[in-house]
Amino acid sequence: KNEVEQSPQNLTAQEGEFITINCSYSVGISALHWLQQHPGGGIVSLFMLSSGKKKHGRLIATINIQEKHSSLHITASHPRDSAVYICAAANTGNQFYFGTGTSLTVIP
Amino acid sequence: DTAVSQTPKYLVTQMGNDKSIKCEQNLGHDTMYWYKQDSKKFLKIMFSYNNKELIINETVPNRFSPKSPDKAHLNLHINSLELGDSAVYFCASSQGSGGGRGREQYFGPGTRLTVT
Repeated sequence: KNEVEQSPQNLTAQEGEFITINCSYSVGISALHWLQQHPGGGIVSLFMLSSGKKKHGRLIATINIQEKHSSLHITASHPRDSAVYICAAANTGNQFYFGTGTSLTVIP
Repeated sequence: DTAVSQTPKYLVTQMGNDKSIKCEQNLGHDTMYWYKQDSKKFLKIMFSYNNKELIINETVPNRFSPKSPDKAHLNLHINSLELGDSAVYFCASSQGSGGGRGREQYFGPGTRLTVT
């Protein structure tokens, strides 16, 4: 069993829909990262959080430390949001554990 | 200006060869990383390194070795390449001792290695 589980694995949405991607982890962490990998392959760090909630534009990330769960929300989704979203848990020993990614396709 | 750059972007080589992938960051960060992304798109950390400490993922074969001539560079050397080494390799950097302390990472564009 992977230390970080994401759901769903694949997601197709209509433009404008509200999207939620979930991440559960079983390791003790000091930070939880959300990454976006574009179809061209490049990886961008979206969020790094250790508690509460963060917002960048239409993207919101939340984390519940007690439940070992994080969510990434996209409001008013757009075709340019189509990408793979990866959750990564970082522990205090500088080890990273990656989820298998959620492939999102937003249809116009 | 590119924050984290890697060369080459594509590398095709035969089994048994030795090859290197270069990584440079111009962000002034003190920690750099190498990741491997396999054909199923699963990312795994291989190394994290700053001027004080090299942390190696214990699952990485010792044919892989990081070399850091200075803080801005972390090159990846691979000896005796095997078919299973085919993957995309990403370099990243952060300020501070890695993501374990909640430091945002900046990724390079990746190097697609194909071993034939």
